[in-house]
Amino acid sequence: AQSVTQPDIHITVSEGASLELRCNYSYGATPYLFWYVQSPGQGLQLLLKYFSGDTLVQGIKGFEAEFKRSQSSFNLRKPSVHWSDAAEYFCAVGGSYGGSQGNLIFGKGTKLSVKP
Amino acid sequence: DAGVIQSPRHEVTEMGQEVTLRCKPISGHNSLFWYRQTMMRGLELLIYFNNNVPIDDSGMPEDRFSAKMPNASFSTLKIQPSEPRDSAVYFCASSRTGQGDNEQFFGPGTRLTVL
Repeated sequence: AQSVTQPDIHITVSEGASLELRCNYSYGATPYLFWYVQSPGQGLQLLLKYFSGDTLVQGIKGFEAEFKRSQSSFNLRKPSVHWSDAAEYFCAVGGSYGGSQGNLIFGKGTKLSVKP
Repeated sequence: DAGVIQSPRHEVTEMGQEVTLRCKPISGHNSLFWYRQTMMRGLELLIYFNNNVPIDDSGMPEDRFSAKMPNASFSTLKIQPSEPRDSAVYFCASSRTGQGDNEQFFGPGTRLTVL
């Protein structure tokens, strides 16, 4: 069955510290992978996505993620966290359907708190 | 582009009343998704449409929920009758499926409170 696991429900880091949010997926075909961010009271905004090619992808707001097929992982990283990064982060997986429905499967989310 | 538009942004109603949530997808997008988000259950896909046709409604909780997409620029999610456990934030998202990119663009959500 297709699934996405985000093992950490809540993470707290100090401002300026590095960050890594974990994401593991189970998907039968070549996956398309996404990270979304949700600020309080807002909708989800795309941070970055991976389709093919370089397994290290850069996104907005200084985030990056690395696709590791052997580990079925797509972890999100940021070298130095800012207070404004406090939000909830969602990993999602989908496929290249080429004309099909294009559904995404979302993880449960990881809430990030940032200490001053 | 205005992005995905949802209305109303907030809805407070009493148990038993009918609730209609509205969504206008991004122009040119051919897939539309309705999600529900709660603290307990997280983000749940309720139903999605492709080219105005419902593809998978297995996430719709029960018969009280119904969704329609009469044309490419408008969709509704209706709850009748509403119950307190329906209180949640409902998101609509759209995507341009079939072009090698399934990125979904989310609306701001409708916060529903059923008293």
